[in-house]
Amino acid sequence: ETGVTQTPRHLVMGMTNKKSLKCEQHLGHNAMYWYKQSAKKPLELMFVYNFKEQTENNSVPSRFSPECPNSSHLFLHLHTLQPEDSALYLCASSPLTVTGELFFGEGSRLTVL
Amino acid sequence: QQQVKQSPQSLIVQKGGISIINCAYENTAFDYFPWYQQFPGKGPALLIAIRPDVSEKKEGRFTISFNKSAKQFSLHIMDSQPGDSATYFCAATPAGGTSYGKLTFGQGTILTVHP
Repeated sequence: ETGVTQTPRHLVMGMTNKKSLKCEQHLGHNAMYWYKQSAKKPLELMFVYNFKEQTENNSVPSRFSPECPNSSHLFLHLHTLQPEDSALYLCASSPLTVTGELFFGEGSRLTVL
Repeated sequence: QQQVKQSPQSLIVQKGGISIINCAYENTAFDYFPWYQQFPGKGPALLIAIRPDVSEKKEGRFTISFNKSAKQFSLHIMDSQPGDSATYFCAATPAGGTSYGKLTFGQGTILTVHP
């Protein structure tokens, strides 16, 4: 496999459920990101990991819990979400170089009932 | 201060026409301005990017024009094709090795090119 792979592609969960989103990158990058894409809103940066260490938490509610066990894998653990959390969650990776191009996965479409 | 304002929200162009999307920013610390293209069901992908030391960058049919004093930049798509139909996002970030991925995005422009 190549690029950035996200699973599941679609997820429906109730407000009391606990679920996780998974991201895997095969590009050898050292930085990984979670972005949230909601309808008619700009993409919002949620979390940044450099070399497995979290370097950015963009005031994200604690019901979203990221985990980065190594430079190739990134998880987003979800619990007691709200309907307004329904969105497309995009994972991305990048090299830590001057250009820093983001490589996005295809996203996980989350619906909270 | 952190916002990037993008317009228009949607754009319809005939095949062969010129598509123009505009963005404006306030944060003078922004130093890198990429444009991303997103097709339905796909993640965004880098299209073209510019740094403020140049006023224009061209790659094929895609050109970024940058006006540092006005804090504005725009994407021009020449000879627009139906395959260019997608959502386009401008973005900005401060300079620095670990900052480039921490993008502030515009709201997006849905471009439709009619054959």
